[in-house]
Parts: sequence; structure tokens; C-alpha cells
Amino acid sequence: QSVLTQPPSVSAAPGQKVTISCSGSSSNIGSNYVSWYQQVPGTAPKLLIYENNKRPSGSPDRFSGSKSGTSATLGITGLQTGDEADYYCGAWDSSLNGVVFGGGTKLTVL
Amino acid sequence: QVQLQESGPGLVKPSGTLSLMCAVSGGSISSNNWWSWVRQPPGKGLEWIGEIYHSGSRNYLPSFKGRVTISLDKSSNQFSLKLTSVTAADTAVYYCAGRAAGMYNFDNWGQGTLVTVSS
Repeated sequence: QSVLTQPPSVSAAPGQKVTISCSGSSSNIGSNYVSWYQQVPGTAPKLLIYENNKRPSGSPDRFSGSKSGTSATLGITGLQTGDEADYYCGAWDSSLNGVVFGGGTKLTVL
Repeated sequence: QVQLQESGPGLVKPSGTLSLMCAVSGGSISSNNWWSWVRQPPGKGLEWIGEIYHSGSRNYLPSFKGRVTISLDKSSNQFSLKLTSVTAADTAVYYCAGRAAGMYNFDNWGQGTLVTVSS
């Protein structure tokens, strides 16, 4: 049971937009930054978004992040088949004094 | 760009100790970074285990406390994970990862190593 809650799966057609939600609590998302990771099966996670809405160099501007209260959202526009992957949200949890992740969301580009 | 590489036995017996190393290249383990271990059971999500700073400060997820030790070896620019009393539930891909102090995202990851707990 993950501390952060994500939908197990989302899907959309190529070229469309999709959003992935991440729900937490006041001790994690509500008081700390959220980051998002993309993981292609069989490979290590890759940082997509940090500090709620910032993109590291190399992360396409089709990916965006936002946060409101104890929830965060990853948005992906102009979907490509190469975006098919598992997406994880993560945040520091001040009560646990550690990093917590969501259970992951599998994106299918139909 | 810092690169991380895990190494260690791929098979551990139940009730035994899981021991892994993470080699840091392209940067110093004594830099302003926290060094973490994250695991992923087959077909499941990511689970942070704990981290260490070059000063020796450590943070562990409460569910692992009592079983886990993360240490630094500055002479070889590596850090390690020891997890005792393992069971089949500890079977996972283990990743080492780094985050800059003051930041709470992992921008460096190792490729991961599968550890199976089985007799």
C-alpha cells in the first residue's frame, strides 16, 4: 500500500492529452515538493518533473506538473507511442522523515 | 554527470543478509548529495529504503528500521546497503540513487540489480 495514491492506468490516443493524479496528505504533498518519474519497463526511473512543475534539462515541454493542496497532477500533451511507460510521483514525507512514492500509473497510448 | 552502478549477489537465502554496493563515478561521494537505496518488487512500485549523507547522517523508512544499515566508503567512493533477516518479500530490483541536499528529487539513478531471496 503506497503512501501516495495514483490511478493504476490511464490511456489516450496519439496526439491527445492525458493527466495523471497523485494524492497525498499534509505531511507529504501538502508541505513538500512533488517530483515525477518515467519508467520504461526494465529500465531505471528517469526524473521528469521536480519541485512540482520544473523540468530538468532533457525533459520535453510536453510534460508539465502542478500541485494544489495535498494533490498533484502530471500532464502530458501531444502523446506519442514512446510515452508508454509507468509514471510515479514522489515527495518527502515530514512525518516519516523519508521519501514516499505513489504506486505508479501505467500509460497506454492507443 | 554523476553515474551510479550497483553490485552484489543476485541470490540470498531466507533469513540471510542482503548486501549491495553502489559505485559513484563522475563525482565525489563527499559532495553535497544524499545517497539513497530504492527497491521495486517484481511488477510493483518503487519503495524508498533509506539514505546517507557524507557526514554520516542517515534517514531510514520506519518499516525498515532495525533491519537496514546504509554506510559510506569514502576511500572507494561507494556506499552500501545491508538488509538483515530477509524473506521472499525482499525480492526486488534494488536501485541506488542520489539527490542534491535541499532537493527532494532523484536526478541520478543506477541501472538496478535484481536480488532474489530463495533457498
